[in-house]
Amino acid sequence: EDKVVQSPLSLVVHEGDTVTLNCSYEVTNFRSLLWYKQEKKAPTFLFMLTSSGIEKKSGRLSSILDKKELFSILNITATQTGDSAIYLCAGQRRNTDKLIFGTGTRLQVFP
Amino acid sequence: DAGVTQSPTHLIKTRGQQVTLRCSPKSGHDTVSWYQQALGQGPQFIFQYYEEEERQRGNFPDRFSGHQFPNYSSELNVNALLLGDSALYLCASSPWYRGLKFTDTQYFGPGTRLTVL
Repeated sequence: EDKVVQSPLSLVVHEGDTVTLNCSYEVTNFRSLLWYKQEKKAPTFLFMLTSSGIEKKSGRLSSILDKKELFSILNITATQTGDSAIYLCAGQRRNTDKLIFGTGTRLQVFP
Repeated sequence: DAGVTQSPTHLIKTRGQQVTLRCSPKSGHDTVSWYQQALGQGPQFIFQYYEEEERQRGNFPDRFSGHQFPNYSSELNVNALLLGDSALYLCASSPWYRGLKFTDTQYFGPGTRLTVL
């Protein structure tokens, strides 16, 4: 059965810290891994990764995929209070829209 | 450009009742997927609609059913509600063009919070 595991479950940091969120996956016929940020309700799309070793960046956020070791990391540098949210990782098989989500990492950034 | 919209925002029902949730996809999208997110958990895939048909289904009982309309909007129906059905129900849309997947990225709506008492 497909599985996505995120760690840590919860993280508390101060503004300015750098954090690394982890996501390991076991997805049959894997195609892509997606990261979402969920603040209140709607998960908002951050990154989609399909190729190993190619870093994707958006401002202070970056992510990379390792298809050999079956994991991805999401880095946030110089954290701000607005980064406080649940970060969800999801795996996706080829030829399907179904996303298999992990339980998420709750990040709290304090001033 | 309107994003994914869902209604209602919140809903309170009692056990045994039936509920209908609604979703309008992002402009230009014709595929709608539904997810259930219990408290403290990641979203779980319920099913997906494309061309007014259910194309994929997750591990949910037949009490969960859906519909897609010609304008691509969708409904999720849950019959015989159980306490365990209390959750945030998320709708996500993505585009297919002529039977080919255009993108793997799905865009989510704000969800409907269902409470079953």
